[in-house]
Amino acid sequence: SAVISQKPSRDICQRGTSLTIQCQVDSQVTMMFWYRQQPGQSLTLIATANQGSEATYESGFVIDKFPISRPNLTFSTLTVSNMSPEDSSIYLCSAGGVYEQYFGPGTRLTVT
Amino acid sequence: AQSVTQLDSQVPVFEEAPVELRCNYSSSVSVYLFWYVQYPNQGLQLLLKYLSGSTLVESINGFEAEFNKSQTSFHLRKPSVHISDTAEYFCAVSDRDGGTSYGKLTFGQGTILTVHP
Repeated sequence: SAVISQKPSRDICQRGTSLTIQCQVDSQVTMMFWYRQQPGQSLTLIATANQGSEATYESGFVIDKFPISRPNLTFSTLTVSNMSPEDSSIYLCSAGGVYEQYFGPGTRLTVT
Repeated sequence: AQSVTQLDSQVPVFEEAPVELRCNYSSSVSVYLFWYVQYPNQGLQLLLKYLSGSTLVESINGFEAEFNKSQTSFHLRKPSVHISDTAEYFCAVSDRDGGTSYGKLTFGQGTILTVHP
């Protein structure tokens, strides 16, 4: 199994600013993903964070809004740029393989 | 493309009663199936999964789910629930056949299970 930590656990930000969320895994993993959970809704995949290459984004998500870094096999960051109140969500990272994925505790973001 | 439908957004039950949380999926390819649980103010935890073999899978805390290929369903059941089972439950699928969708999870809308004393 893998233990995943995220920082910060929560934040309140003003519109127009950016926030970078960090995801740390306690072991090396090939696959890392970033999800968004909007209030009262399910999880939606934002992108796959690929080590050594550009992230792969899902439909409706773009690199300019959600830049992702993956400098090594245990760490990734997601930046939420030029935030608006619609970006208020829980952001989760996950890691693992196709048979099992482990999730971080999430970052609760509120944009005012 | 894949989609997952959880037919009940909320399921209230009394303690020690049986419960079934329904999950149906749609996919053009073969899938792996998962149930995740999210306890209040906690992250997602894997509850059980179907990869291959026996269509009935069990978790360590008494939940079970059965994969029904003809009905494209993966319903979650427990014969007797406890107060501590109160949580939100998510059904999810991933593409078995690889390619660009490899490892990505598609989630249902979630079912909030509330167990009353």
